[in-house]
Amino acid sequence: QKEVEQDPGPLSVPEGAIVSLNCTYSNSAFQYFMWYRQYSRKGPELLMYTYSSGNKEDGRFTAQVDKSSKYISLFIRDSQPSDSATYLCAMSGLGGGADGLTFGKGTHLIIQP
Amino acid sequence: GAVVSQHPSRVICKSGTSVKIECRSLDFQATTMFWYRQFPKQSLMLMATSNEGSKATYEQGVEKDKFLINHASLTLSTLTVTSAHPEDSSFYICSASLREKLFFGSGTQLSVL
Repeated sequence: QKEVEQDPGPLSVPEGAIVSLNCTYSNSAFQYFMWYRQYSRKGPELLMYTYSSGNKEDGRFTAQVDKSSKYISLFIRDSQPSDSATYLCAMSGLGGGADGLTFGKGTHLIIQP
Repeated sequence: GAVVSQHPSRVICKSGTSVKIECRSLDFQATTMFWYRQFPKQSLMLMATSNEGSKATYEQGVEKDKFLINHASLTLSTLTVTSAHPEDSSFYICSASLREKLFFGSGTQLSVL
């Protein structure tokens, strides 16, 4: 079993829909949870960052962490064609980014106009 | 968010030549930088961890004599692909840690002819 599991998709939804992206993990030592957005042939861009369990909202994006289930989610409201990209979940232990991140494989998201 | 600048964005070279890629943290000091490689439609593969003033730590299977990493200052790390061959063609991405977060450069597409 991989440390982080993420469905690669593609996930195709119509414009305006709510998108749900998910990752599961097995390492209970993970404390920091992040979501990155990567456009084709570009570096990943940090979208959301949470520590431990709970919800965090930023504009149209909401990140959820359920440590008891080892499950994290990213919700995108009012999805736009410009949201079409690959979304990578990432997580780390107490050292955070300085100790390196463990990434999911990424979910390729397509928002249809 | 913090800015990580990576140059060049694209390089084409002949087989047997060496190529240097620069990664700079523009508005913060990064004790630790990471180098990744990414193949089409795949996730990020960590190549090495670079700490300022010390030797880089390479992941298993990554040739340290082939991929030379130098982290001479808190804002600059370089990756040199020595004697490049077509199988080294890939997308290379650097990242720098700022506290618990990790910020990425825009990536370098290397094509070896």
